[in-house]
Amino acid sequence: AQKVTQAQTEISVVEKEDVTLDCVYETRDTTYYLFWYKQPPSGELVFLIRRNSFDEQNEISGRYSWNFQKSTSSFNFTITASQVVDSAVYFCAHWFSGTYKYIFGTGTRLKVLA
Amino acid sequence: DVKVTQSSRYLVKRTGEKVFLECVQDMDHENMFWYRQDPGLGLRLIYFSYDVKMKEKGDIPEGYSVSREKKERFSLILESASTNQTSMYLCASSLVLLSYTFGSGTRLTVV
Repeated sequence: AQKVTQAQTEISVVEKEDVTLDCVYETRDTTYYLFWYKQPPSGELVFLIRRNSFDEQNEISGRYSWNFQKSTSSFNFTITASQVVDSAVYFCAHWFSGTYKYIFGTGTRLKVLA
Repeated sequence: DVKVTQSSRYLVKRTGEKVFLECVQDMDHENMFWYRQDPGLGLRLIYFSYDVKMKEKGDIPEGYSVSREKKERFSLILESASTNQTSMYLCASSLVLLSYTFGSGTRLTVV
């Protein structure tokens, strides 16, 4: 069965520190997608990135970067030089072809202290 | 931008009441979803609709029903609210299944 594990429940860092959020997934599918969403205090989930199972190329977008490794079934998310506005709950999610739904991890609450 | 609007941000209801949570999207999306978010459990799918008057059960449909009479509106109904339904409820819509837009959520407290 598909499963997404975010072992870090809560992380606190001081502003300007780098922080990595871990995501480990389980799947028997060969075609699937992985996602990261951010949930700020306002409540709505904001899409950050989507990566398909055939594309292991790492991605950098500004202060954000993602490391996808199929060998370890991980899709980790790093924020460089964290800012207070990065404080949020971050969700990793898995979607596989032939279904209509995501499997979400339990989320990691990130607190960035000024 | 697609906007998904949930009618209430906070709601307090009594045990046994019938509760309606409303969700409206403004971009003609076929697919709409209701999720429940609880600490330590992440988001869990309650119901999903892929067209008007069509619905599918998600992972935790017990105690809930849904209604989709118009394409833009998807309602979640708690027939008889119970305290274990106290939670954050998130609605989402999508045109294609890989691209969701979420609403801001309704935090429901059942007392």
